[in-house]
Amino acid sequence: DADVTQTPRNRITKTGKRIMLECSQTKGHDRMYWYRQDPGLGLRLIYYSFDVKDINKGEISDGYSVSRQAQAKFSLSLESAIPNQTALYFCATGLAGSYNEQFFGPGTRLTVL
Amino acid sequence: LAKTTQPISMDSYEGQEVNITCSHNNIATNDYITWYQQFPSQGPRFIIQGYKTKVTNEVASLFIPADRKSSTLSLPRVSLSDTAVYYCLVGTPGSARQLTFGSGTQLTVLP
Repeated sequence: DADVTQTPRNRITKTGKRIMLECSQTKGHDRMYWYRQDPGLGLRLIYYSFDVKDINKGEISDGYSVSRQAQAKFSLSLESAIPNQTALYFCATGLAGSYNEQFFGPGTRLTVL
Repeated sequence: LAKTTQPISMDSYEGQEVNITCSHNNIATNDYITWYQQFPSQGPRFIIQGYKTKVTNEVASLFIPADRKSSTLSLPRVSLSDTAVYYCLVGTPGSARQLTFGSGTQLTVLP
């Protein structure tokens, strides 16, 4: 969905490096989410935010941190990247009251060597 | 958390109706059932959502029996472009923590 953009789209980094993945949205949604997807598996929730002052841990938050800089921006950081964080990362947005309907970005493919 | 169980894969032919069933025996009273579609290297796309009985939109139908312990996504007259992974999710509105995508069902539509 072009309304949800992620940068970078691809990134190769080395173990121990700090990495930031950025997500921006023009949909005006309050809720934003970060997921990771490993090959052949479903998506797992890392962090989510229901508004600028709200940050919540998801299923697999260890090793990750997030920042909600504005309603439209939600960044995911890997403070010290490790190889098993190699995955496809998706940002998503949603409206309060739209129940479980989320709108996903194109994804960031991260490789940690 | 309401765990979901779906078939790992399904094959179908163009023009056929496809039904994908999802089991969610521990569904909670406030949970809704949502289905997503995902193409390779793309983010999932919302298809349909429901709470009970039947929901239909321009893309699919969702059938939910009275006990809500399962649901069936029905895709009418599939085409090759419907080849994708389909996820069944169960979760309570306003609680993202309870949204679990699982491994999904790989649907392959054959010519």
